[in-house]
Amino acid sequence: DSGVTQTPKHLITATGQRVTLRCSPRSGDLSVYWYQQSLDQGLQFLIQYYNGEERAKGNILERFSAQQFPDLHSELNLSSLELGDSALYFCASSAGQDPYGYTFGSGTRLTVV
Amino acid sequence: GENVEQHPSTLSVQEGDSAVIKCTYSDSASNYFPWYKQELGKRPQLIIDIRSNVGEKKDQRIAVTLNKTAKHFSLHITETQPEDSAVYFCAASRSSGYNKLIFGAGTRLAVHP
Repeated sequence: DSGVTQTPKHLITATGQRVTLRCSPRSGDLSVYWYQQSLDQGLQFLIQYYNGEERAKGNILERFSAQQFPDLHSELNLSSLELGDSALYFCASSAGQDPYGYTFGSGTRLTVV
Repeated sequence: GENVEQHPSTLSVQEGDSAVIKCTYSDSASNYFPWYKQELGKRPQLIIDIRSNVGEKKDQRIAVTLNKTAKHFSLHITETQPEDSAVYFCAASRSSGYNKLIFGAGTRLAVHP
């Protein structure tokens, strides 16, 4: 167990729908990062939060949004889902602003049908 | 922008042989270079990392080398074992400020008994 908790583990939904993925970082970690991993692909950076504030954005679609709450858990919202959004979504956390000790959660597998 | 290229995409070796995976990065300000191992259906896990103030780091059968002038770094696995079979990702980041990891596309390593 990495200490980073992601729920749900699996999600199946229809095109056009909206889903919310949840991530709880390791105890004491202030940074949360979201990544998308499509089938047999690499890890595409989506967005980073530090202590409740957005700090970096990658190639995140406008249909996607995220936030980090005062208790430091984070949610990734995906709307108007398309078949191509099917992927593994990982979150990772680190203690501070830097990427040392980046630890990943087990991921949420999203299938859009 | 920031980019990390990784080669080869697939690598097949016999048990006991060595395996080498190479990465190049584009951001000359990068100074932190971790490697992650991802087994099928599981989360990426950190196996070794190197910072720019050193040229080489070893941990048992794995080692990483860094050439900052050429902007490339490599993972070396000696005496490979079947349990080394996995996808390996290199990554690069600046280590100061709000910095995320940018990952290579991954190398699928197969170690045959």
